[in-house]
Amino acid sequence: GAVVSQHPSWVICKSGTSVKIECRSLDFQATTMFWYRQFPKQSLMLMATSNEGSKATYEQGVEKDKFLINHASLTLSTLTVTSAHPEDSSFYICSARGQIAEQYFGPGTRLTVT
Amino acid sequence: GESVGLHLPTLSVQEGDNSIINCAYSNSASDYFIWYKQESGKGPQFIIDIRSNMDKRQGQRVTVLLNKTVKHLSLQIAATQPGDSAVYFCAEGFSGGYNKLIFGAGTRLAVHP
Repeated sequence: GAVVSQHPSWVICKSGTSVKIECRSLDFQATTMFWYRQFPKQSLMLMATSNEGSKATYEQGVEKDKFLINHASLTLSTLTVTSAHPEDSSFYICSARGQIAEQYFGPGTRLTVT
Repeated sequence: GESVGLHLPTLSVQEGDNSIINCAYSNSASDYFIWYKQESGKGPQFIIDIRSNMDKRQGQRVTVLLNKTVKHLSLQIAATQPGDSAVYFCAEGFSGGYNKLIFGAGTRLAVHP
């Protein structure tokens, strides 16, 4: 089956620093990748939709200058949280979609900003 | 029974009983609906999906029912097992654009032996 990986699985960083999270589709080409954020005991909130070779489309209320998304190849998308603050601490999950509509989810990345 | 926690409602069932998890969706234009299971610290795992032109679909031990009149979706799990304990989310999908998904609030299923 289709496998999506994320790296790192967890990260702790200091306030004011930037953190990059990678999302890879391991056995298929992902034309579209999605980034979600999930706070404890809450649902997944879509942050942005990213297509290979073009700019990401951000959901309302998501700061594009703070959450930089790059989808440079059909198997890799990255999310960079710039100037992270404690309120950015969350579980970040990516998903990837190939030729069909189904999305395959990564295992998530736990970000803690101290 | 059901109880509403701080953010996630919880459904508690005995092992072997059937579970019914409900979801209300918002957009009558949604083309398809998906149920996901999420265990603690992991990404969502696909369970079953249903297209908007169907009202019922069955899988292994799971059945999804769709009522478009009242915009309601349910997931039935037969003979619930301890391994079914997790948070369950419904998601509505749109074929237009990039097939993005909008997730519902989620329900925690707790299975007691």
